[in-house]
Amino acid sequence: DAKTTQPPSMDCAEGRAANLPCNHSTISGNEYVYWYRQIHSQGPQYIIHGLKNNETNEMASLIITEDRKSSTLILPHATLRDTAVYYCIVRIRGETSGSRLTFGEGTQLTVNP
Amino acid sequence: DGGITQSPKYLFRKEGQNVTLSCEQNLNHDAMYWYRQDPGQGLRLIYYSQIVNDFQKGDIAEGYSVSREKKESFPLTVTSAQKNPTAFYLCASSMGLKGEKLFFGSGTQLSVL
Repeated sequence: DAKTTQPPSMDCAEGRAANLPCNHSTISGNEYVYWYRQIHSQGPQYIIHGLKNNETNEMASLIITEDRKSSTLILPHATLRDTAVYYCIVRIRGETSGSRLTFGEGTQLTVNP
Repeated sequence: DGGITQSPKYLFRKEGQNVTLSCEQNLNHDAMYWYRQDPGQGLRLIYYSQIVNDFQKGDIAEGYSVSREKKESFPLTVTSAQKNPTAFYLCASSMGLKGEKLFFGSGTQLSVL
């Protein structure tokens, strides 16, 4: 699986968009980008995933660059409850999902009032 | 509501004692997983199971044991051979080993007395 690089921490004002970057310069053509988040002392929660097209769901949007070497998770209107550690993971879809899910240290997003 | 239930929330272990962490799911998922998380770190895979009566070691299985006698249940035993058991333990499940999404429980914090 390709390695990902994320900033260790970010701040965002409540109500503003939170843009969380992820670099995955060694990503291969069949590897998907996944995002999970973990609120303190809870289990991680799936957010979104994508291959090359931009994706949007009720939680967030995922923007993947044309060369696929980086992506951005966008929380359009951040709330205090979005304060969490956000993990960007690259994985080949169809492989054993649990055994290959390497979470790394992620980005601590703090939403300020 | 469907989900994954881990118990207890907090657990204390004495030196030389085995302890068992419970994980139950009612999502009808085939695959289940155990992860360990140390402070400020990502998740590391301990064991995973694809079907009843079958399980495989993850990256850090030494000092741990599991069983999968029922589809709904995947208990983890932390044995006395695990010399540094203090950590946050997370159970997860997915439709199968190739499912995109992992669903996590709320975790068990294990501490050594």
